[in-house]
Amino acid sequence: QSVLTQPPSASGTPGQRVTISCSGSSSNIGSNTVNWYQQLPGTAPKLLIYSNNQRPSGVPDRFSGSKSGTSASLAISGLQSEDEADYYCAAWDDSLNGPRHVFGTGTKVTVL
Amino acid sequence: EVQLVESGGGLVQPGGSLRLSCAASGFTFSSYEMNWVRQAPGKGLEWVSYISSSGSTIYYADSVKGRFTISRDNAKNSLYLQMNSLRAEDTAVYYCAREDDGSYYDYWGQGTLVTVSS
Repeated sequence: QSVLTQPPSASGTPGQRVTISCSGSSSNIGSNTVNWYQQLPGTAPKLLIYSNNQRPSGVPDRFSGSKSGTSASLAISGLQSEDEADYYCAAWDDSLNGPRHVFGTGTKVTVL
Repeated sequence: EVQLVESGGGLVQPGGSLRLSCAASGFTFSSYEMNWVRQAPGKGLEWVSYISSSGSTIYYADSVKGRFTISRDNAKNSLYLQMNSLRAEDTAVYYCAREDDGSYYDYWGQGTLVTVSS
């Protein structure tokens, strides 16, 4: 079961800005960095944002990430049709039973 | 070019066993931590297990602890997941993923489907 909460869906028209939230707790987002993954239909996830706000080489700069306290967010500015995908936040969680990696519930982005 | 190729998935009956493999190439496998992540049909991502670069440190999700065993062979550039006492809820696509900087998964395999059904 996911311990990071995301809205199930988000949408926008081409060119709009879309923001996805990710809510966690002090044991995960509050004490570790947040990463974001994009999963296009029928494909493996791809790293989109790492260490809260860093973009891997090749990721367009219209994708940006931020973190504050126990929450994080992903913003897509200048939305494009190819951005239609599922997006997941993730972080390590320092649970009492031992470290575990946790993913968000996932957000499906639709380009209208 | 970094490549991760999973294999070993298939149909297995409840209570059965399966061993997944992940063949790595294009990087120094022995220098990286590795993970298994799964995705049930139509569902989100679920972390399964972690292994350090040397294999000395291992973590499991509560849902698989005691049933699954992660291992690696650095000489063969390979990662494994031994899955025992399989349940219907273990049905999923299983991905191996390379971990960088102790935090994020920068490369993923294409996944292998495990179906647990009678």
